[in-house]
Amino acid sequence: AQSVTQLGSHVSVSEGALVLLRCNYSSSVPPYLFWYVQYPNQGLQLLLKYTTGATLVKGINGFEAEFKKSETPFHLTKPSAHMSDAAEYFCAVSGYGVSQGNLKFGKGTKLSVKP
Amino acid sequence: DTAVSQTPKYLVTQMGNDKSIKCEQNLGHDTMYWYKQDSKKFLKIMFSYNNKELIINETVPNRFSPKSPDKAHLNLHINSLELGDSAVYFCASSLPHGAGGYTFGSGTRLTVV
Repeated sequence: AQSVTQLGSHVSVSEGALVLLRCNYSSSVPPYLFWYVQYPNQGLQLLLKYTTGATLVKGINGFEAEFKKSETPFHLTKPSAHMSDAAEYFCAVSGYGVSQGNLKFGKGTKLSVKP
Repeated sequence: DTAVSQTPKYLVTQMGNDKSIKCEQNLGHDTMYWYKQDSKKFLKIMFSYNNKELIINETVPNRFSPKSPDKAHLNLHINSLELGDSAVYFCASSLPHGAGGYTFGSGTRLTVV
């Protein structure tokens, strides 16, 4: 079974500050891990993904996440927040052999960026 | 070129009506999905098709019926619409098992009045 827990439904940071969005996952198979971003009234855009290989994953817009085998966090970070980062962020997990790619999402974290 | 396209983008309809949402992908993916996003932004899978074959059918009322005429298309038909069906419905596609990531359409906002 697979599940994702996002810690904090709302995170507020100042422009230029570190962004840290927390996600813990559990998976019965080697996981594929994803972060998606959703801007207001828009679809889901892939920020970054971990499937295999390098454990420090760099995504678009300066975001990154680190996969640590046998640990459960897959937190999303960005060194310096920009106003345009304000959006809803979703962590998600899938895995090879899991129901043909059933992607399970966390409940989302809304990021606000203050000037 | 839009990778995963859904139509319509907005759909307002009365209770009891039947409506369809169409989805097409031009990525050459074998697997397609329908997700429902509720008013609290929670995303849950409804259906998954792999090369026109139904793979995942979560606990969804049988008023919802997916149809995949070919592997590039996955449509969603909803009978006897209810107020609780109001949500945003997202189509997505991926390679088998989702290893390459999932590409989502821009969503269809369904409002039942």
